[in-house]
Amino acid sequence: GAVVSQHPSWVICKSGTSVKIECRSLDFQATTMFWYRQFPKQSLMLMATSNEGSKATYEQGVEKDKFLINHASLTLSTLTVTSAHPEDSSFYICSASGTSSYEQYFGPGTRLTVT
Amino acid sequence: AQSVTQPDIHITVSEGASLELRCNYSYGATPYLFWYVQSPGQGLQLLLKYFSGDTLVQGIKGFEAEFKRSQSSFNLRKPSVHWSDAAEYFCAVGTPTTDSWGKLQFGAGTQVVVTP
Repeated sequence: GAVVSQHPSWVICKSGTSVKIECRSLDFQATTMFWYRQFPKQSLMLMATSNEGSKATYEQGVEKDKFLINHASLTLSTLTVTSAHPEDSSFYICSASGTSSYEQYFGPGTRLTVT
Repeated sequence: AQSVTQPDIHITVSEGASLELRCNYSYGATPYLFWYVQSPGQGLQLLLKYFSGDTLVQGIKGFEAEFKRSQSSFNLRKPSVHWSDAAEYFCAVGTPTTDSWGKLQFGAGTQVVVTP
């Protein structure tokens, strides 16, 4: 199956700083990428959908100015958490689907801790 | 609006015993249904999916699921669990677009604990 990577796997940052998370499709071209957020012991909540070269579509209640998503190429999408606060601490997971398959492949996730 | 319900938050099962995880959905059209497994601190792995056709779907790791339209259910089963099956299991409904499964809406998850 196709492989999706995320970097970093975990990050600790101070409150007020920004942090960028990368999501890469390693062996396929991802026309669509999705970003999810998962709180401890809870389900995944879709934050936004991004198509290569287009602006991301955010789910209701997700602040687009706080969670900046860029999908500049067919293999890379980034999520930047701006002015992070402790309540932004969470597990962020991306997924990607490509031109040849409907299947959505998930990355391993990034654990963000804001102190 | 679509929704996914996993009634069981937590299930404990003995190694070697059978396992069934329940999933009910609400969706206006024929749904795309999925079961994923997540180990602690890890991403999601697809166990199986249903789009159409045979309502009994075989997946990886010995899992199977049965789509029952009349009951709006897609329950996951395994005849004999192994200790390595201890994980969080998520049922999901997809709204496909022209080139992807589209948005996936996940159930709350069921935590499976396997005892010796």
